[in-house]
Amino acid sequence: GAVVSQHPSWVICKSGTSVKIECRSLDFQATTMFWYRQFPKQSLMLMATSNEGSKATYEQGVEKDKFLINHASLTLSTLTVTSAHPEDSSFYICSAISTGGYSGNTIYFGEGSWLTVV
Amino acid sequence: GDSVTQMEGPVTLSEEAFLTINCTYTATGYPSLFWYVQYPGEGLQLLLKATKADDKGSNKGFEATYRKETTSFHLEKGSVQVSDSAVYFCALRETSGSRLTFGEGTQLTVNP
Repeated sequence: GAVVSQHPSWVICKSGTSVKIECRSLDFQATTMFWYRQFPKQSLMLMATSNEGSKATYEQGVEKDKFLINHASLTLSTLTVTSAHPEDSSFYICSAISTGGYSGNTIYFGEGSWLTVV
Repeated sequence: GDSVTQMEGPVTLSEEAFLTINCTYTATGYPSLFWYVQYPGEGLQLLLKATKADDKGSNKGFEATYRKETTSFHLEKGSVQVSDSAVYFCALRETSGSRLTFGEGTQLTVNP
């Protein structure tokens, strides 16, 4: 079936540095991908909707200059956390919509990426 | 706006017990409804879905029926296993949209 892969699965970075997380749709093309943030024992918070070839749409309260999203191709979206701080430590999950074939308009989730800022 | 409300957890059951996790929703249109499962440290996996009223989604012994009259999509399983221990999320997606609205999640722990 359709697979969405995130990389890295976990990352530790120093405060003040930037870190990039990739989200790839492995066997389908995804014009739309989503980025979520999840705090421990909480639900998923939608951060932004990533559209291939255009600017991402950010949810209210999400700093677009801090969380840079690039959807450069139909199979890849990236989330860059700029000037990371310890409060940015979280579990980040992406999802992608498969719009064709057997899967037909189904949303698939990546495995998630743990970010720890020290 | 759209919203999803799940029963509060955590839920702790013994193996082979009957499971119900309640989910109700508020939506302006005719959404599709989903249950996702998240195992510790992992992303979300689609468990089952229903796209219209009275549809029943089922997978791995889990079932949920789309009840428009009560705006509910309760998750049930007749006999839970230790391996079912996870967090379960109810979600909806409007017909005209592409984003998911999630409930708060319900932690299920099944003891042997």
